[in-house]
Amino acid sequence: DAGVIQSPRHEVTEMGQEVTLRCKPISGHNSLFWYRQTMMRGLELLIYFNNNVPIDDSGMPEDRFSAKMPNASFSTLKIQPSEPRDSAVYFCASSSYGETQYFGPGTRLLVL
Amino acid sequence: DQQVKQNSPSLSVQEGRISILNCDYTNSMFDYFLWYKKYPAEGPTFLISISSIKDKNEDGRFTVFLNKSAKHLSLHIVPSQPGDSAVYFCAASTAGGTSYGKLTFGQGTILTVHP
Repeated sequence: DAGVIQSPRHEVTEMGQEVTLRCKPISGHNSLFWYRQTMMRGLELLIYFNNNVPIDDSGMPEDRFSAKMPNASFSTLKIQPSEPRDSAVYFCASSSYGETQYFGPGTRLLVL
Repeated sequence: DQQVKQNSPSLSVQEGRISILNCDYTNSMFDYFLWYKKYPAEGPTFLISISSIKDKNEDGRFTVFLNKSAKHLSLHIVPSQPGDSAVYFCAASTAGGTSYGKLTFGQGTILTVHP
């Protein structure tokens, strides 16, 4: 299996622009998680889906952040408008019916 | 509110010796604990886990110990190898003994194993 796939791997954008991060979970996994890693806050859960339905979005920092999972093989995390403090590494992870979470390689976002 | 704490930002160990990484938690509802390892420019990878009904779990060179009364867990690596050099994250879950739900991560400990 190819594992969790994230794109892009790196993104540099200017403040105010829209940013869309993409994730393809491992085939057959029914849960998907979005995390953000920063020096100040470490690795924090933003939102997670079960069977394509958002279960808990309490970690989403602001209304500027939104996430969707239109089908079992694709999810997006969107930031609109982006701000410099959104600069971080964003990870997507997936799991199968309560088993171990497997992480993607991450997207390194820099907002100038 | 940091519910999972790794108080040592870094640890340096000689090859062949034991590495002990520590983790403390405050939420008594946590019932499943995991350790992840992370190399630069990669995502965290699962290493080993333990349910709250156990106090020890072993997998090759890696052993995790859980002390529920002290709300403390530790990861032992014996013997340590240079390839073990990475960031180690402790994580905890309240999802009834699985990692289905939210994982709360510690800040991570950078392990360096010197040849």
